[in-house]
Amino acid sequence: EAGVAQSPRYKIIEKRQSVAFWCNPISGHATLYWYQQILGQGPKLLIQFQNNGVVDDSQLPKDRFSAERLKGVDSTLKIQPAKLEDSAVYLCASRPPGHNTGELFFGEGSRLTVL
Amino acid sequence: GENVEQHPSTLSVQEGDSAVIKCTYSDSASNYFPWYKQELGKGPQLIIDIRSNVGEKKDQRIAVTLNKTAKHFSLHITETQPEDSAVYFCAASRGNRLAFGKGNQVVVIP
Repeated sequence: EAGVAQSPRYKIIEKRQSVAFWCNPISGHATLYWYQQILGQGPKLLIQFQNNGVVDDSQLPKDRFSAERLKGVDSTLKIQPAKLEDSAVYLCASRPPGHNTGELFFGEGSRLTVL
Repeated sequence: GENVEQHPSTLSVQEGDSAVIKCTYSDSASNYFPWYKQELGKGPQLIIDIRSNVGEKKDQRIAVTLNKTAKHFSLHITETQPEDSAVYFCAASRGNRLAFGKGNQVVVIP
């Protein structure tokens, strides 16, 4: 079974530029998450989707971050304009349908460096 | 919201010895407690989890114990091997949102 796919793996941009990350979850997984992991810290939830609807985006900095999951499968996370403090690894995770808790399957992440 | 803390931040053990990592949580209503292992350059991977109706769970060399009264849970790794070297994250949740701790770096010395 293929895992969660993310791209790009690495991105370097200058502050005030924009960037987009893409995630393809495990086939059939209805719930998709975007996490931000700053160096030396644990993952912090940015947004959770259930199919193509937003369940929780309370910790998403909506002035600069946006995310969508139009067809309930792939998702993109965009940052515009980027700030230095956005340097982090952006992890996408998915969970099978019918599970409110239980295992999250993470991708390998997209590492963003903002100069 | 839920606050999860892990101790110690770094743990070095001799190969073959046991490692114990402790986590505390703040929300007494949390009912699900997983442990994730993250290797360099990879995403976290679930290694064991426990729900609030159970006090202990074991899977081969790893075990998790939960003390709901004290609001803490611990990861136990026995007979450590070099491949156990990684960062370990504990987490707690009530419902959908999982709150992660900051992680413990475990180094197994051959």
